[in-house]
Amino acid sequence: KNEVEQSPQNLTAQEGEFITINCSYSVGISALHWLQQHPGGGIVSLFMLSSGKKKHGRLIATINIQEKHSSLHITASHPRDSAVYICAVSSGNQFYFGTGTSLTVIP
Amino acid sequence: GAVVSQHPSWVICKSGTSVKIECRSLDFQATTMFWYRQFPKQSLMLMATSNEGSKATYEQGVEKDKFLINHASLTLSTLTVTSAHPEDSSFYICSAPRGGGASSYEQYFGPGTRLTVT
Repeated sequence: KNEVEQSPQNLTAQEGEFITINCSYSVGISALHWLQQHPGGGIVSLFMLSSGKKKHGRLIATINIQEKHSSLHITASHPRDSAVYICAVSSGNQFYFGTGTSLTVIP
Repeated sequence: GAVVSQHPSWVICKSGTSVKIECRSLDFQATTMFWYRQFPKQSLMLMATSNEGSKATYEQGVEKDKFLINHASLTLSTLTVTSAHPEDSSFYICSAPRGGGASSYEQYFGPGTRLTVT
């Protein structure tokens, strides 16, 4: 069993739709990271959170420590949001990565 | 924002040769850097933690004699793939935490190095 599970694996949405990507983890964590990887391979850290909720533009990330669950929301999705979104958790000096959610936003 | 660079961005080498990949933090110091490998259609896999001034810490299953890591300064870590084989072909990525040495700090990722071994 993976320490980090993401769902869905693949997601196709129409431009403008509200998108949710889920992440569940089974280990004790010091932080949870949401990463975005574009087709060229470059990775950008979107959020790092250990409690509550963070918002950056159209992106919102929430975490429920008791339920060991996090969600990444994208409001008013746009084709440029098309990418792979990866959930990762820090546990001590260990990193555990989800397998990623491949998002395609259609104009 | 913080910038981490990698060099080269892609490299093709012959089987049996060695390849060095550099990871630099351009506007901050990083006592710790992390090296990952990503195979096609798969997520990142942490290979090792590079520590400035001391030996790297390798993840289980990663051969330390094959993947040599040197953290020569507070802004530079290098990964050398020795005696490369086709199965080493992969996308290698580094990250550095700003403001601390631990994985619990926000990570700044390099753009990655695509290695192809022929």
